[in-house]
Amino acid sequence: AQKITQTQPGMFVQEKEAVTLDCTYDTSDPSYGLFWYKQPSSGEMIFLIYQGSYDQQNATEGRYSLNFQKARKSANLVISASQLGDSAMYFCAMREGQGGGFKTIFGAGTRLFVKA
Amino acid sequence: NAGVTQTPKFQVLKTGQSMTLQCAQDMNHEYMSWYRQDPGMGLRLIHYSVGAGITDQGEVPNGYNVSRSTTEDFPLRLLSAAPSQTSVYFCASSTPQGTEAFFGQGTRLTVV
Repeated sequence: AQKITQTQPGMFVQEKEAVTLDCTYDTSDPSYGLFWYKQPSSGEMIFLIYQGSYDQQNATEGRYSLNFQKARKSANLVISASQLGDSAMYFCAMREGQGGGFKTIFGAGTRLFVKA
Repeated sequence: NAGVTQTPKFQVLKTGQSMTLQCAQDMNHEYMSWYRQDPGMGLRLIHYSVGAGITDQGEVPNGYNVSRSTTEDFPLRLLSAAPSQTSVYFCASSTPQGTEAFFGQGTRLTVV
């Protein structure tokens, strides 16, 4: 069963506008973590933001925020004030269990194109 | 700040050959993992380790072996390379709290 679903293969956004990248997940574990990573065309994986299942507040890191809706099992990434350098693949990931000791699995990704 | 180091960066193998992809981290992370990324797809977990001497299978373990004799190193062995193993391989290690994973630069493997 698909555990991480990213339904948007590609997204376009105008420079300086905000964009939301969707992610839904499925787990029966009460303790889990949700991540977003950016992969530019150069290929490296860049960590963006983390949300723990018990965190009360939505995570924010600079222009990135994670819209965590636990009941809906969604963890959407919001990028504010898009920049040309934001053009990249974005992956949502989920770690089940506590600490660093359990599996982390990834969604198929969303390719974001930022237009000037 | 070395972080996670993967070697080699590129490799071409013939079908049936064996090889080891190296992964080393200098952050004293207990948790390390190997992923493969096929074109246009996300990362799929091959094997992972929660500490020295402990390994477990991920989503796509067939055709790969791992061992973890030290905290720093987590090599991935291809026993008999097949064209289906042509992919980009990433090694990652996690913070003790598991709130961030650090990735190596990747190894692009082609099996002909």
